[in-house]
Amino acid sequence: NAGVTQTPKFQVLKTGQSMTLQCAQDMNHNSMYWYRQDPGMGLRLIYYSASEGTTDKGEVPNGYNVSRLNKREFSLRLESAAPSQTSVYFCASSAYGGYSGNTIYFGEGSWLTVV
Amino acid sequence: GENVEQHPSTLSVQEGDSAVIKCTYSDSASNYFPWYKQELGKRPQLIIDIRSNVGEKKDQRIAVTLNKTAKHFSLHITETQPEDSAVYFCAASSGGGADGLTFGKGTHLIIQP
Repeated sequence: NAGVTQTPKFQVLKTGQSMTLQCAQDMNHNSMYWYRQDPGMGLRLIYYSASEGTTDKGEVPNGYNVSRLNKREFSLRLESAAPSQTSVYFCASSAYGGYSGNTIYFGEGSWLTVV
Repeated sequence: GENVEQHPSTLSVQEGDSAVIKCTYSDSASNYFPWYKQELGKRPQLIIDIRSNVGEKKDQRIAVTLNKTAKHFSLHITETQPEDSAVYFCAASSGGGADGLTFGKGTHLIIQP
């Protein structure tokens, strides 16, 4: 049981390049999330998908797009990377969503550097 | 939206002593309050959570208390050990559905030998 798997683990991009972070969960969870973590800022929600077929903006969505490909997979795309997007990105999932009190499980993180 | 404040940002305690981390939240509709522990270079992992219909919850050396009236909740770690050294995050549900959690900015807990 792998839980939440995200790729790549490390990536260096040049300003203006695009890339997609992939995430998959094998826990049959309904809800999936993308967070970014910056020093001293905690974890901030970028986008979330409450259920298959829906996506919504979180606290810091600018510069990102997402796709809920199916129930298992939720990808995050940077269309034109900027140095301000240098961060650690975490994908996460939960059975029904944080409001109902179901545990949110995190992937191992993706370290992205934009130069 | 929800806003979660967490204090202190850094906490240093002697091994064996207790540690307390405090958080406040703004949205009175929030009803789920988890705590996550993150070791260096690792993913955040849930260590304990509490729901709004409960005032206190314990799990071995860890306890969480919730004061809904004052909109604050706290993490208590007793008999601290070196492996407790990590960054701890509090969080609150946004109250609107499956829309994730709002996190505090974290507390770096240092256990001094």
